[in-house]
Amino acid sequence: NAGVTQTPKFQVLKTGQSMTLQCAQDMNHNSMYWYRQDPGMGLRLIYYSASEGTTDKGEVPNGYNVSRLNKREFSLRLESAAPSQTSVYFCASRELLIPDGYTFGSGTRLTVV
Amino acid sequence: QQQVKQSPQSLIVQKGGISIINCAYENTAFDYFPWYQQFPGKGPALLIAIRPDVSEKKEGRFTISFNKSAKQFSLHIMDSQPGDSATYFCAAYHRGAQKLVFGQGTRLTINP
Repeated sequence: NAGVTQTPKFQVLKTGQSMTLQCAQDMNHNSMYWYRQDPGMGLRLIYYSASEGTTDKGEVPNGYNVSRLNKREFSLRLESAAPSQTSVYFCASRELLIPDGYTFGSGTRLTVV
Repeated sequence: QQQVKQSPQSLIVQKGGISIINCAYENTAFDYFPWYQQFPGKGPALLIAIRPDVSEKKEGRFTISFNKSAKQFSLHIMDSQPGDSATYFCAAYHRGAQKLVFGQGTRLTINP
């Protein structure tokens, strides 16, 4: 099925541990995004990649790094997890210049204890 | 800084009633206003969208009303059904920055 695939779906980390969230899309989209969703805050942009080979900071980039591995894959890394990073993380992709072309994955629910 | 403000945070409506969710923005550079619907355990999915040169857009039971001078827009769900129970996000798209900014979300519950 075409779409955005995120792994893992659930993860529990201890404070200070690191992990990488994986995202892959099979729609040949140029742009990919990482958002976090918190109650009462909506979805906030962490990092994005407008096209393969480029990455830029979003609204809340502190504590995260990203890698655009190729056109299909965009990973999000937490180097030293903190309880404030407990959230649901969504990856999205879209074709550049199409404002309503966002396709979201099903999310990764991360808990940092 | 929340660039798109959404209200209410939660809403309970009886089956058959009208659900209304409101959003306001400040940045006049926003030029496209979509609404997303999210079911539990799923990612948001585009529901309906409007451009600022149109005051209203209707798709089935869903209508967006847009007031450019007031910088406000709203989603109306007519004849609300239990299957409409979900979280709804308004959003605003900044064409120059190529970014989508979301409101805080509204958890809608339709009681049977």
